[in-house]
Order: sequence, then C-alpha cells, then structure tokens
Amino acid sequence: QKEVEQDPGPLSVPEGAIVSLNCTYSNSAFQYFMWYRQYSRKGPELLMYTYSSGNKEDGRFTAQVDKSSKYISLFIRDSQPSDSATYLCAMSGPPGGGADGLTFGKGTHLIIQP
Amino acid sequence: DAGVTQSPTHLIKTRGQQVTLRCSPKSGHDTVSWYQQALGQGPQFIFQYYEEEERQRGNFPDRFSGHQFPNYSSELNVNALLLGDSALYLCASSLGQGLFNEQFFGPGTRLTVL
Repeated sequence: QKEVEQDPGPLSVPEGAIVSLNCTYSNSAFQYFMWYRQYSRKGPELLMYTYSSGNKEDGRFTAQVDKSSKYISLFIRDSQPSDSATYLCAMSGPPGGGADGLTFGKGTHLIIQP
Repeated sequence: DAGVTQSPTHLIKTRGQQVTLRCSPKSGHDTVSWYQQALGQGPQFIFQYYEEEERQRGNFPDRFSGHQFPNYSSELNVNALLLGDSALYLCASSLGQGLFNEQFFGPGTRLTVL
C-alpha cells in the first residue's frame, strides 16, 4: 500500500461544475497537507496549505482535512477551462521530525469541458 | 520577486554519464529540496539541503548527491546514469529547516537518458 493514494483520473466535468478531488493516506505522522496544480511540462504550483483538520477557503478553492479518517479533499467551485491540469496532493510530517520532504500522490488529471 | 529558477531546461545524456543540475531558491528562502518526477507519477523526494548540509534524504541511491552553496543555491549530481533516471527533476525552496514547511517549486529540468 502506498503512503498516499490518489485517483489518477482523468476526471472530466463541464465548465461551471463543482469539482471534488481527494487523497487518502496511511501515515499518522503527516501533519501538513498541500494541494499543488501542475500544468503539462511545468513545475507544481502551490494552491492550498493546511495544518489542522477542518476547512480552509481561498477564492474558488476549499481544502478539507479529516485526520481521523486520513482523508483530504480539494473543492473547486465554478470550474473554468483554465483549471484543466493535474492536481497533486502532498503531505509532510512535523518540521525537523525526520520527514521534511513532501510525500506526493500520483496526481489527478482534471479536464474542464467548455 | 524572483521565484525558483533551474538550469538547464532540458538535457540529454547517455547511460553511464554524469550530470549536474542547478537551482536558485526563491528570494529570502534558505532551504532547497530536490524531487524526481517520472512521467505520470507524483514527485519523489530525493534530499533536502539546509545550511550547506544534507538534512533529509529519500529512498535514492548514493549515485544521487548534492551541494548547497553559501548563497543558498544548490546542485544535484547524478553519476553513472541509468535509463530509469529519465525524469523531470524539480527543485523546491522553503524558509527554515524545522519551521513552516511551505515549499515552492521551480519549472524543473527534463533529463533524458539514452
């Protein structure tokens, strides 16, 4: 079992729909949770960063963390064709606790149809 | 404000050769991490440098080595290249080892081993 599981998709939705992207993880030491967006042949771009369980909202994006279920989500409202990209979840343990590198999921390829 | 920069953009090498990749961190950042991203996969953590020392290392062989300079820039060296080393190599910078671990990525260097 991989430490972080993420459905690679592709996930295709019509423009304007609400998108839900998810990851599950197995390592209880993970405390920091991130979502990155990666366009083809580019480096990942940080979208959201959360520490505790609960919701965090930034514009059209909402990140949700449920540590008890080891499950994180990213919601995109009013999706646009420019949101078409690969979305990577990433997580890490406590700083300096021997796990400063990020552990990534495989990424979900999202397609927003105009 | 300059983001993370990497050079070269693309590189083609043959098996058995050695390669050096370079990274300049985002202004104000002092920690550099390196990741390998194979096609269709999420990035995998190679190692992290802080105060010119390797602080954390992922599951990569000793053929992968690095260096951090006093100006916080970094190099990744790979010896005895294998076909399986073909990937996008990403550099990420952050502020402070043991502190807030928000990492910002560069555009990557695409390495092809023939």
